[in-house]
Amino acid sequence: GAGVSQSPSNKVTEKGKDVELRCDPISGHTALYWYRQSLGQGLEFLIYFQGNSAPDKSGLPSDRFSAERTGGSVSTLTIQRTQQEDSAVYLCASSPGLAGMRETQYFGPGTRLLVL
Amino acid sequence: AQSVAQPEDQVNVAEGNPLTVKCTYSVSGNPYLFWYVQYPNRGLQFLLKYITGDNLVKGSYGFEAEFNKSQTSFHLKKPSALVSDSALYFCAVRDEPNSGNTPLVFGKGTRLSVIA
Repeated sequence: GAGVSQSPSNKVTEKGKDVELRCDPISGHTALYWYRQSLGQGLEFLIYFQGNSAPDKSGLPSDRFSAERTGGSVSTLTIQRTQQEDSAVYLCASSPGLAGMRETQYFGPGTRLLVL
Repeated sequence: AQSVAQPEDQVNVAEGNPLTVKCTYSVSGNPYLFWYVQYPNRGLQFLLKYITGDNLVKGSYGFEAEFNKSQTSFHLKKPSALVSDSALYFCAVRDEPNSGNTPLVFGKGTRLSVIA
């Protein structure tokens, strides 16, 4: 079946502009995660959605970052007033949401964001 | 809080030789451990995981990993490396006492280069 998809694959923007990144999880997966991969920094957790529960926003680096998940499926990560340090690859992952800690997360190809 | 260390930024190995990519972890309870691989301009692909049971876990593409509780390690291994194994490898952990479906904590990654 189809995997996790993300769009756009690449995004170049100017400092101060807002950007929206989209994630389509695997059909039926109730858990959805956003991570950021910066050069030399590994993967950094941003936000986590599980079903209809309130999202875990503990990883968001500033209030310029926000995310929504509409209808329990598609998610949008929004970065307002982008800064050059926001340049990174933004990865989305999903998992079934049924087996808790044991679950494997499946990742999308990522969106490469460059802020000029 | 849980953490993961990948002590080597880069591992070079000749094709046909065995390879090892090292990972050590720190958790307060029982760990759930994962290995992912990232090829250029691609998302992360799941290789294998340790949840419970046998300490030797076999995964995709001929990779295996050995869970060693006393050394808090989960090294990735392959008996005979291929040039196509060249990629970025990430170790990740979850800590069992945490409730819910928590995000993974990743190491900074190890770049594997297999030389023909």
